[in-house]
Amino acid sequence: AQRVTQPEKLLSVFKGAPVELKCNYSYSGSPELFWYVQYSRQRLQLLLRHISRESIKGFTADLNKGETSFHLKKPFAQEEDSAMYYCALRGRGGFKTIFGAGTRLFVKA
Amino acid sequence: GAGVSQSPRYKVAKRGQDVALRCDPISGHVSLFWYQQALGQGPEFLTYFQNEAQLDKSGLPSDRFFAERPEGSVSTLKIQRTQQEDSAVYLCASSPIADSVNEQFFGPGTRLTVL
Repeated sequence: AQRVTQPEKLLSVFKGAPVELKCNYSYSGSPELFWYVQYSRQRLQLLLRHISRESIKGFTADLNKGETSFHLKKPFAQEEDSAMYYCALRGRGGFKTIFGAGTRLFVKA
Repeated sequence: GAGVSQSPRYKVAKRGQDVALRCDPISGHVSLFWYQQALGQGPEFLTYFQNEAQLDKSGLPSDRFFAERPEGSVSTLKIQRTQQEDSAVYLCASSPIADSVNEQFFGPGTRLTVL
């Protein structure tokens, strides 16, 4: 079964602390992995995708095929990082995108 | 430039009514997706269009749900005989090319409440 699991509904950290949002997936084949973010009163938008191996707003995510994980990390959280984060996957060459239930990140001053 | 727009932003329907939700994708975008997002959940895939062709409708929950994109631009999601479990935010997204790694640009969503 194709599935994306984000085990934490809510994650609260202090400003300047490291943050890791967990994402595990189940997929038979080669998936494309993404992180989307939704800031308060804004639209859902792409944060990063694994194929680009990029760092956006200080966030990085590494695809671990052995553990079937794609955790999102940032060494020093900022208050403006407070948002809803969704991990998503799509089969290579396919179009159906499967989203996790999301993790709300709250960065305290 | 304008992003993806959706209308109406809010819709209240009585159980059994038919509703039509509209999506205006970014001009020139080939790919168009519809999602259903229930409260506290992530978006759930409904259907995918490449231009006017509906290539994947595996996520439509029942035959009461119907989507079209007749000219390859604007799309309409129609729900017939609405039921309370249809209450959700309906998201539309578009993408410039037909590619599995391409970014999807999301609209603001239509919040449907069925009484």
